[in-house]
Parts: sequence; structure tokens; C-alpha cells
Amino acid sequence: AQSVTQLDSQVPVFEEAPVELRCNYSSSVSVYLFWYVQYPNQGLQLLLKYLSGSTLVKGINGFEAEFNKSQTSFHLRKPSVHISDTAEYFCAVSEFGNTNAGKSTFGDGTTLTVKP
Amino acid sequence: ETGVTQSPTHLIKTRGQQVTLRCSSQSGHNTVSWYQQALGQGPQFIFQYYREEENGRGNFPPRFSGLQFPNYSSELNVNALELDDSALYLCASSLGTSGSRRNEQFFGPGTRLTVL
Repeated sequence: AQSVTQLDSQVPVFEEAPVELRCNYSSSVSVYLFWYVQYPNQGLQLLLKYLSGSTLVKGINGFEAEFNKSQTSFHLRKPSVHISDTAEYFCAVSEFGNTNAGKSTFGDGTTLTVKP
Repeated sequence: ETGVTQSPTHLIKTRGQQVTLRCSSQSGHNTVSWYQQALGQGPQFIFQYYREEENGRGNFPPRFSGLQFPNYSSELNVNALELDDSALYLCASSLGTSGSRRNEQFFGPGTRLTVL
């Protein structure tokens, strides 16, 4: 079994400031890691994913995340946010391999509010 | 290439009724996963269909059932609706040729179900 903890339920930040959204996970096996964004009344859009290889992953809209296996973390960062980044962000994990592929476990989300 | 579509967008039902939600997967994708997202929470995995067979289920009762058709579109059926079934239901499609590919999920916009 696996679990995901998003450490901050709400993150307010001013426009053009840097931001970090924190995600810790727990799993007894190797995992794939994901960050999704959800705008109001919409589905989920994939921001970035870690499947293997380099632990620093770059995604869309200037976001990046770093996989830290020893700390079981996958924090999301952006050096300068825009008003349009205001949304709900979800961290998710799924087990490595074929058996449980695509059966993701999600955190409860972090609401990012960018203020002018 | 068309993305994942879901219908209807909104639905209102009363307790005890039955509901069917529909999902058309992205072109070429043979795997569909369904998630329930209650208000203020992250999505929870309901079940997955791969090549018309159920391929894993989350912690949901049997009154949640599904189908996948030869064109890989899918239905989610919920019988004996309860108030707690009110949620956004998301479907995600992926190409299930390998674990990593099956984990690259594309989400639809969701169906908002309200149970009164």
C-alpha cells in the first residue's frame, strides 16, 4: 500500500515570487511520481512525472520537481509564479511495474493562490 | 487527436437511484481508469479496465461497476446511490503496453454527480 501527504493545504504567494509545494510519500516498493494541476471545474492536467533517470524533472509552465528517495519526497517548485498559476495541485504515486500501473494514489491537494 | 471526453458534465440524482457515466478514451488508448474526487479531496482510484477486462479495483463496494467496450470507451455504473456518492468522477486513459506507459494517464474533464 502507498500513501501521499501534501504538507500544505494552502499556499498564498505574491506574483513573481518563488514557490515550493511539498509532497511526501510512503511505499514499500518503488514508485512513479506525478504532479497534476486542476483548474476550477476542470479535470487534471499532468505537470510533470518522474519515471526513472535524473531526479530533477522539468515540466510544463516552468515547473520542476526533485525526487529525493532517501527522504521520500517529491517537492514541486517554480522560480517565479504568475496569477494564472492559481489552481489546485495534486501529488500522486503509482507502483513501479505492470501490475498496478495507472492505479494512482493522490494526496489531498494544495491550493496555490497567487496574489498581485 | 481527440482527448478524453466524458458525459454528461453534470448530473443530479436522488438516493437509491442508479446512474451511468460515460468516458471516451484518447485515440489509441486501451486502458481506462476511473477515479472519484469528493469535494476538497484528491481523486480516489475506483477501478481500471484494460482490453475490456477489469484490471484492479480500489476500496469501493460492488455497487460501483463498469464496462469497457471494443472501441475502449468505458462506462461507470453506480447502483443504489447514497448521499456520499456526490463527487466529481474522473476517467483517465492510457496506453497499456507497459507499466510506464500505463502510468502516463490523460484525464477527462469529469462528471459532477450530485445525490439529493
